[in-house]
Order: sequence, then C-alpha cells, then structure tokens
Amino acid sequence: SQTIHQWPATLVQPVGSPLSLECTVEGTSNPNLYWYRQAAGRGLQLLFYSVGIGQISSEVPQNLSASRPQDRQFILSSKKLLLSDSGFYLCAWSTQGAFLANEKLFFGSGTQLSVL
Amino acid sequence: AQSVTQPDIHITVSEGASLELRCNYSYGATPYLFWYVQSPGQGLQLLLKYFSGDTLVQGIKGFEAEFKRSQSSFNLRKPSVHWSDAAEYFCAVGTGNQFYFGTGTSLTVIP
Repeated sequence: SQTIHQWPATLVQPVGSPLSLECTVEGTSNPNLYWYRQAAGRGLQLLFYSVGIGQISSEVPQNLSASRPQDRQFILSSKKLLLSDSGFYLCAWSTQGAFLANEKLFFGSGTQLSVL
Repeated sequence: AQSVTQPDIHITVSEGASLELRCNYSYGATPYLFWYVQSPGQGLQLLLKYFSGDTLVQGIKGFEAEFKRSQSSFNLRKPSVHWSDAAEYFCAVGTGNQFYFGTGTSLTVIP
C-alpha cells in the first residue's frame, strides 16, 4: 500500500535560518507531489507542485523553493526564514492523471513550523 | 482563475442538531469537488468527492454534499452532529493536476 512520510513533525527556527522539510512517498511511482501551507487563521494554500523529477511549478512567489531530486522525494527549502513563514506545511501526493484514475489527494501528517 | 469560497469562518452547533457548511467555487468547466476534514492534531481526511453523475454524494461519517451547478455551490450537510465532528472543514476544487482549497470553516459542537 502507499504511504507518505513527512518530517519533522514540529520545528522551531530563528528568523534568517535555513529550512529543509522532506517528504517521501512509498508504494507508488511517478506521483504528482504537492506542498501546501496552512497559516494561522487562513486556509490551505498551494505552494508548489511537481509532475516529475526536476519539474517544479510555483503557485505563490515567496522566499521558499521546492525540489524533487528523486521520483518519490519532495523537499521544501528556504535560505532565510521570515516570521511570515510560520505555519503548518502539508505534503501531498496524487496519481498521475488523478482525475481519471484514483481521483484522490493523499496528505502527509504535516510539519508545524514556528519562526521566532 | 479558479477559486473556492467558504463564507463561514466559524460555526457553532449543538450536538444532535443539523449542519450545513457552505462552499462556492469559480471555475470555467465542470469541476471536481471535494470536502476534507482536519481534526485537531491530525492531517487531512477526505470526506467525500463529486466528479459527475448524481449531484447528491454520500461520504464517510454520515456526511453528504450536494452539487448545484446553477449556484456554483457544493454544500456539506449532516443531519445530526456528534461532538467528535468538531474540526476544521475544507472545500476543494480539483483541476488537472492541481487542487485549490477554501479558507476552511471551523466547527464547534456544544453539548
């Protein structure tokens, strides 16, 4: 069966420090991968999505970046965190052509990031 | 551009009362619509989805939602709310490879 792993679960970082959140998927190949952020008092915001290795689409310009070095690995990074980067980050995956096949988005357990 | 609106930020209902959470979307074609629930300390769980066919869809935990094309709405309903339903609820629209979420509705259930 497919599983998605996201870590760490919680993270406290000072302003200006770097960030690396990692997400891996098991049990499937060539998934679509997503990074979402849920900021306090707001809804889920799509940050990045990827349809393949090295293919990253950014939905919101900001100081975050994403990379997909392997088929089932998706990394969210920042060189210098801002206070406004605090929030709950969710990784998710779906099958390619999801709406024709599995039609479902699978979420990781999330990372609570606090920038102080 | 696609968008999803959940006009109610917070709703409080009594246990046993009926519930309706509103969702409106903006999309040029026939949308794929979803409702997710996020319980405290947990990730997101899919409640139900609509792709085509019967406009009234049944989901898990006794929830249902009705797609109304004329109103661009996909409201979530439950006839009798349980205390364990207290959570954050998200409506989402799927297009191609992307999903867009509403801002969420926080549900409080009082005894």
